[in-house]
Amino acid sequence: GAVVSQHPSWVICKSGTSVKIECRSLDFQATTMFWYRQFPKQSLMLMATSNEGSKATYEQGVEKDKFLINHASLTLSTLTVTSAHPEDSSFYICSAHGLAGGRGLAKNIQYFGAGTRLSVL
Amino acid sequence: RKEVEQDPGPFNVPEGATVAFNCTYSNSASQSFFWYRQDCRKEPKLLMSVYSSGNEDGRFTAQLNRASQYISLLIRDSKLSDSATYLCVVNRRSSGSARQLTFGSGTQLTVLP
Repeated sequence: GAVVSQHPSWVICKSGTSVKIECRSLDFQATTMFWYRQFPKQSLMLMATSNEGSKATYEQGVEKDKFLINHASLTLSTLTVTSAHPEDSSFYICSAHGLAGGRGLAKNIQYFGAGTRLSVL
Repeated sequence: RKEVEQDPGPFNVPEGATVAFNCTYSNSASQSFFWYRQDCRKEPKLLMSVYSSGNEDGRFTAQLNRASQYISLLIRDSKLSDSATYLCVVNRRSSGSARQLTFGSGTQLTVLP
């Protein structure tokens, strides 16, 4: 079964609104989660590393004030796309590192959520 | 130069064919290597890890050449269900114990009946 739960799976919103995406590790603690973005026919690009209890680390070119990340607990990270615009329409995917090895998870593997498809009108 | 480069594809092969994908990576600090597959509009799923000694999982064989910074994936007796995009992925240590994945752009495979 799934080890990382991501919600919602699909969002359609108007330009200028904010959208929150949740990523939960199921039955294991994830001190680090990762947020990726994938545009059509392109590969996944790492946006930021979400660290529990501290600030996220953003990749070059990713605006931290636009993509707010909160990792307030060991099982939940959220990504908020603020004031979304059509160019933010993309497939957003989170992953959690199975570092704790809980549930028999491999420690060196990242487990992905099912992704959130965002369409901004 | 991209950190991970793959054959651009697409590959269209008949059922039962053998197909090989290649990948090169530029960061010599890369520590772990994987092949993921991604179906259309879905999240990537781990296909197999890649070890220096080479490893096989059923019809799939992966090889790694650290000196050449080259990774390959061989699929034998391809099935219709193998149709997907195959992503070459390398993993390097970032801050603390967390590691970051870098994805290649993917190679699209279509297996034809």
